Amino acid sequence: QVQLVQSGAEVKKPGSSVRVSCKASGGTFNSYTIYWLRQAPGKGLQWMGGRLIVLGTTKYAQNFQGRVTITADESTNTAYIELSSLTSEDTAFYYCAASAIKGVGPTWWGQGTLVSVSS
Amino acid sequence: EIVMTQSPPSLSVTPGGPASISCRASQSLLHYSGPNYLTWYVQKPGQSPHLLISWASNRASGVPDRFSGSGSGTDFTLKISRVEAEDAGVYYCMQALQTPFTFGGGTKLEIK
Repeated sequence: QVQLVQSGAEVKKPGSSVRVSCKASGGTFNSYTIYWLRQAPGKGLQWMGGRLIVLGTTKYAQNFQGRVTITADESTNTAYIELSSLTSEDTAFYYCAASAIKGVGPTWWGQGTLVSVSS
Repeated sequence: EIVMTQSPPSLSVTPGGPASISCRASQSLLHYSGPNYLTWYVQKPGQSPHLLISWASNRASGVPDRFSGSGSGTDFTLKISRVEAEDAGVYYCMQALQTPFTFGGGTKLEIK
């Protein structure tokens, strides 16, 4: 069973950047696609992007193009998301998730990381 | 992008009773290889989403058989045959046919 453990909550100022990590265990890291999604308090789920680890290719949602970067370190089985130019609208729980099968989407989920943006 | 529309937005069901949630996609989710790329999740209060059903009708490991998914193309349904107290939460459909993956607005299931 795959387990994903995310880094802790962050409090950021408007205009700054945040980096959230996601460490995977219990499976073969480079066989996965790692996704990042977010959920504003009381709202629905929003897909931000995904990285196919074995090829190192990444896709991003248009809404976040230019502001988001998803990377991965295969030596530590850890994925990262960095979001820049933060505003209060970026306050949300950020989830990493993994999938090994095409056409399913996120299968295993991390516990979520709350990012709060406030002056 | 593909727009996903769920109904109803909320549902209140007596334990032991059935529940049904609909999900409609703005375009067909049928992949040329055969499956419909439609996934169902449940998110219980204070928890991350949890995979219930993939490819429209395949229950994930450990999901009770009272949960079933059906549909093809643009119209899909999640059914719970006999609701239990532990089923309370928000249910989401999601299309995995093309990026960006998109979600329905969610259906909040309340147990009476």
